[in-house]
Amino acid sequence: AQSVTQPDIHITVSEGASLELRCNYSYGATPYLFWYVQSPGQGLQLLLKYFSGDTLVQGIKGFEAEFKRSQSSFNLRKPSVHWSDAAEYFCAVGDSGGYQKVTFGTGTKLQVIP
Amino acid sequence: SQTIHQWPATLVQPVGSPLSLECTVEGTSNPNLYWYRQAAGRGLQLLFYSVGIGQISSEVPQNLSASRPQDRQFILSSKKLLLSDSGFYLCAWTKAQVSQETQYFGPGTRLLVL
Repeated sequence: AQSVTQPDIHITVSEGASLELRCNYSYGATPYLFWYVQSPGQGLQLLLKYFSGDTLVQGIKGFEAEFKRSQSSFNLRKPSVHWSDAAEYFCAVGDSGGYQKVTFGTGTKLQVIP
Repeated sequence: SQTIHQWPATLVQPVGSPLSLECTVEGTSNPNLYWYRQAAGRGLQLLFYSVGIGQISSEVPQNLSASRPQDRQFILSSKKLLLSDSGFYLCAWTKAQVSQETQYFGPGTRLLVL
């Protein structure tokens, strides 16, 4: 069965600093990988996704993620964090099954300090 | 463009009372539909998914049920709520039979069972 691990429950960074959120997955074949962001009390918004091809994926809001098969990782990065990036971030892995089953990690809550 | 609605936005219910949460999708036809629950400090747990009218699959045995009476309507129900049913309920949709499709989420319903 597929699974996702986000080892950091809570991360605090200063505004303007770089950010890396970790994600490790377990899946038998080539995975479909996603990063979603959730602002307090809101639904989830897709930041970026990886299906195949270039392992460095660019997303919205200046985020990028790199798929590393050898490390089973899909870490999310941003070179300079803005206060509006404070939110909870979820990594997810999907399979190619007909109904698009997606398994989510437990999330990493990002706090941005001035 | 496609939009997804959930209501109510917030609900406070006593233990033992019934529940009905509604999700509707606009701007697409024959979507795959999903119900997730997000409990405090935990990731998203897939509860139900549906690939068509009247077709419901349950991922986790629980106190809840789901129905899809119309193509773009997905309902989450309970006959008697438990305290453990409290959480944030998210509905999502994907295009049917497209394995690489992204899941799009509604704004969520926050349920508090007292």
